[in-house]
Amino acid sequence: AQSVAQPEDQVNVAEGNPLTVKCTYSVSGNPYLFWYVQYPNRGLQFLLKYITGDNLVKGSYGFEAEFNKSQTSFHLKKPSALVSDSALYFCAVRDTMDSNYQLIWGAGTKLIIKP
Amino acid sequence: NAGVTQTPKFQVLKTGQSMTLQCAQDMNHNSMYWYRQDPGMGLRLIYYSASEGTTDKGEVPNGYNVSRLNKREFSLRLESAAPSQTSVYFCASSGPTGSLNEQFFGPGTRLTVL
Repeated sequence: AQSVAQPEDQVNVAEGNPLTVKCTYSVSGNPYLFWYVQYPNRGLQFLLKYITGDNLVKGSYGFEAEFNKSQTSFHLKKPSALVSDSALYFCAVRDTMDSNYQLIWGAGTKLIIKP
Repeated sequence: NAGVTQTPKFQVLKTGQSMTLQCAQDMNHNSMYWYRQDPGMGLRLIYYSASEGTTDKGEVPNGYNVSRLNKREFSLRLESAAPSQTSVYFCASSGPTGSLNEQFFGPGTRLTVL
């Protein structure tokens, strides 16, 4: 069965330090992988996606993510965190073997950047 | 472009009441979705519509109905609200190759059922 795990409910990082938000997945076929961010009382916003090609994907607001097929991971990273990066981050996956349009979502990771 | 719009933003219902959540997108997207978001559970798909004229059940369809009124609009109806349906509801849409395209989300409707 398809699944997505975000093993950390919360990640705390000091401003200016690098940040990583972890995501692992399980699918039958190949994955399409997505990261979204949700600011308080707002809808989700797309950050980046991996469909095929280069394993390092660059997205909005200086974020990037690395697809690692052997570890079935798609961790979100940023070299230098900003206080404004504090938000809820969601990883999602779609299985290419799945004929429907459903995304499977992780439970979310709350990112707190401290000044 | 307004993107994805949802109405209302907030709603309080009593158990057994009915209501319809409205969603519209102006991006000419084929696919539209309804999700609910509960603390610690991420997003769960209620229903989706791959194209105008089609709808399919998602992970948690019980207690809900949907209508894809036209390409722009996709409504979610609660016929007899229950406290378990207290949640934040998000509508989303995605482009012509739905499985490859990212989803665009509305601002959400915060629903409380007493």
